Amino acid sequence: QTHLQESGPGLVRPSGTLSLTCTVFGYSISTGNFWGWIRQSPESGLEWIGSVSHAGDTYYNPSLRGRVTMSLDTSKNQFSLKMSPVTVTDTAVYFCVRGSSSPTAAGLWGPGTRVTVSS
Amino acid sequence: VLTQSPGTLSLSPGERATLSCRASQNVGSDFLAWFQQKPGQAPRLLIYASQYRGPGVPDRFSGSGSGTDFSLTIRSLETEDFAVYYCHQYGNTPGTFGQGTKVEIK
Repeated sequence: QTHLQESGPGLVRPSGTLSLTCTVFGYSISTGNFWGWIRQSPESGLEWIGSVSHAGDTYYNPSLRGRVTMSLDTSKNQFSLKMSPVTVTDTAVYFCVRGSSSPTAAGLWGPGTRVTVSS
Repeated sequence: VLTQSPGTLSLSPGERATLSCRASQNVGSDFLAWFQQKPGQAPRLLIYASQYRGPGVPDRFSGSGSGTDFSLTIRSLETEDFAVYYCHQYGNTPGTFGQGTKVEIK
């Protein structure tokens, strides 16, 4: 059975770089689907950040103004999110997701990881 | 933009729940999903493509709608159904979510 697990620092300094990795178990990410990130905060609710296809094509939320980069590492069966520079408004729970039918779909979610941006 | 109503629904176990999701523009019927979220957990897929139940989802959950108006119905509430529900359109970029409807025990 496929499942996803996020990992990365729980605390990031303002103006720094947020780096998260999602490890996929039970499915090869190079086989297909879209691999994405969604975040959730009390202020903004659920927000789609972006995704990367199994072929490496990327799709980003325009609202994040070029601060986001996503990539695949098929050798480790992982995909990653980098966001820079961050501000306190980027504090949220970050979920990695798998989508099947479109770049913005999210049928399967990881448990989430809390990231706090603070000095 | 997806607007959900009501914000909170207070019902008793065994009652029927009807949740609404209205889109500001046409999203068709193929790219609208519903999720259930409990405290401390990730959202769980209930319905995709407006009407199809996700893996392992009980048949008391059903979805309908197309265009700009969608609904999620829970036929007879079980205690484990009290949670927050979100709609999600995934046909356009960026994907967007409603603000959620909380179904609470009356």
